Amino acid sequence: DTEVTQTPKHLVMGMTNKKSLKCEQHMGHRAMYWYKQKAKKPPELMFVYSYEKLSINESVPSRFSPECPNSSLLNLHLHALQPEDSALYLCASSQDLGSYEQYFGPGTRLTVT
Amino acid sequence: GESVGLHLPTLSVQEGDNSIINCAYSNSASDYFIWYKQESGKGPQFIIDIRSNMDKRQGQRVTVLLNKTVKHLSLQIAATQPGDSAVYFCAEQYGGATNKLIFGTGTLLAVQP
Repeated sequence: DTEVTQTPKHLVMGMTNKKSLKCEQHMGHRAMYWYKQKAKKPPELMFVYSYEKLSINESVPSRFSPECPNSSLLNLHLHALQPEDSALYLCASSQDLGSYEQYFGPGTRLTVT
Repeated sequence: GESVGLHLPTLSVQEGDNSIINCAYSNSASDYFIWYKQESGKGPQFIIDIRSNMDKRQGQRVTVLLNKTVKHLSLQIAATQPGDSAVYFCAEQYGGATNKLIFGTGTLLAVQP
């Protein structure tokens, strides 16, 4: 199984809502990533987890809160988002931080109204 | 033809022709390079990779060329098919504890039947 799954596929939320994005992999990977991708732009790294600990936070606003409850799951909690946060949110995983190949999920298309 | 600025650079080819997608990378210390394919509504999909100690690597219908002197990477697709239509991103990575992926701007490949 070389699949990274993400739910939901689409999400529309208001600026006062709280929602969560979920990511799951069963490849035994110990590094997991959140990326943000705006239309016609490349993915931009947000967070990296290694062995369930936050390793990198690319100066992401606190309205985005990541969580790694176990080695297979990665969540992104959203609160008080702005319309400019509307984007495709991609999850990825790799064997570990020293591994080069990252496997990407299909993404969650988020719209903030 | 190509267009830049607010739009993705676009390469338009006829089905059956060979395609060459180019990428300039930024960090001379990068030691690993990857090409990803991203179809509409999907996450990036790994195509082929190359390490900095190589200048050419071949896969099935794809070849990656690396020119470290001018920091240039190219992806060649032989006998391009309609299913190859997608946005192609190059990405560079340099070693160390984080192995962050830095994506290039992307090129839209449009295959005309």
